[in-house]
Amino acid sequence: DIQMTQSPSSVSASVGDRVTITCRASQGISNWLTWYQQKPGKAPNVLIYATSTLQSGVPSRFSGSGSGTDFTLTISSLQPEDFATYYCQQANSFPITFGQGTRLEIK
Amino acid sequence: QAVESGGGLVQPGGSLRLSCAASGFTVSSSFMSWVRQPPGQGPEWVGIISNTDTTQYADSVKGRFTISRDNSKNTLYLQMNSLRPDDTALYYCARYGSQTGLFDCWGQGTLVTVSS
Repeated sequence: DIQMTQSPSSVSASVGDRVTITCRASQGISNWLTWYQQKPGKAPNVLIYATSTLQSGVPSRFSGSGSGTDFTLTISSLQPEDFATYYCQQANSFPITFGQGTRLEIK
Repeated sequence: QAVESGGGLVQPGGSLRLSCAASGFTVSSSFMSWVRQPPGQGPEWVGIISNTDTTQYADSVKGRFTISRDNSKNTLYLQMNSLRPDDTALYYCARYGSQTGLFDCWGQGTLVTVSS
């Protein structure tokens, strides 16, 4: 199975800050990497798929990059509604696996 | 979107069948998946059914869980047998994009608690 490791597990930041979250796969996954945002009591919501493609309706302050085993999600200027938990997920091979999550908190 | 139902409290070794009623898209022509999320933890993929009825499962549920669908009702099912306490989670159904690798059209989830 491909293990997905996110870092950091939590981060505190302020409105307007730039934040980067990293996801590392235990083996190469090409560009089969999706990022989700999850708020309490809600299902995960797609932000970025295929490593860097912005899902329709997602603000352009979110961006993704990477290839192979190392990937990043960047939020260029944090907004109040961005404080949530973020997950990466690989779909290169079954079983599909998720990272353990990064909790983004208000400083 | 999707609406899950059928969760509840069940004793270890028991069974439950979850349902996922879809709207706005056709279950029969989609790849559909179940994803669960234990309390306070990240999502865990459970299994998938393709548009040609091929199924795949996580090792943790293989042989115990079965995914099926009723095309006439546009509904997905998850039959769960031999339930264990570590199956306790919020269970979501979601559409899987085979060309994109993403899960969308998530439901609100249905909670399964396995406890004596």
